[in-house]
Amino acid sequence: EAQVTQNPRYLITVTGKKLTVTCSQNMNHEYMSWYRQDPGLGLRQIYYSMNVEVTDKGDVPEGYKVSRKEKRNFPLILESPSPNQTSLYFCASTVGGANSPLHFGNGTRLTVT
Amino acid sequence: EDKVVQSPLSLVVHEGDTVTLNCSYEVTNFRSLLWYKQEKKAPTFLFMLTSSGIEKKSGRLSSILDKKELFSILNITATQTGDSAVYLCAGYNAGNMLTFGGGTRLMVKP
Repeated sequence: EAQVTQNPRYLITVTGKKLTVTCSQNMNHEYMSWYRQDPGLGLRQIYYSMNVEVTDKGDVPEGYKVSRKEKRNFPLILESPSPNQTSLYFCASTVGGANSPLHFGNGTRLTVT
Repeated sequence: EDKVVQSPLSLVVHEGDTVTLNCSYEVTNFRSLLWYKQEKKAPTFLFMLTSSGIEKKSGRLSSILDKKELFSILNITATQTGDSAVYLCAGYNAGNMLTFGGGTRLMVKP
């Protein structure tokens, strides 16, 4: 089944403890992206990647890192999480370009205390 | 900075009603507009619109784009309780960045 898989689904951590949220897609998509969703603010793009070893900042990249060493994986790294990074995170992928819809993972709900 | 604005913020209707959701956009080098439905989990894709005036339909849902006035509408006819969700629209620019609006929360009462 074609899908975008994120792990974990839920994560509670403490301020400053490094964490990684994994994202994997099995559709051979070139484009992958991370979003965070907050009440009243909608979905905001954190980082995106057009292809392997190519990543770019989205609208809210501060406090996050990403890497794209393989086409299928696009992990999101929080080196030193803070409470304002408490949010619902979505990974998404698409074939590439502005003429193809994003396919979303099921989300990771992160709480930083 | 690209911007997408949706209205209304929320809407409560009864089963059988018809609803129209609005989306206006200011997207540099605009390429396409997308509509998604979000229930409890991930957004699911509904429509992608690239040309003005061409209506896209899927069952009771339809959508149209006006590139001159920079807006799109999503219509749902004969609403059902299963249509209750947050509806998101988003605009792609030429740099392949997708900007989302804040969403319209639709509640359909039996």
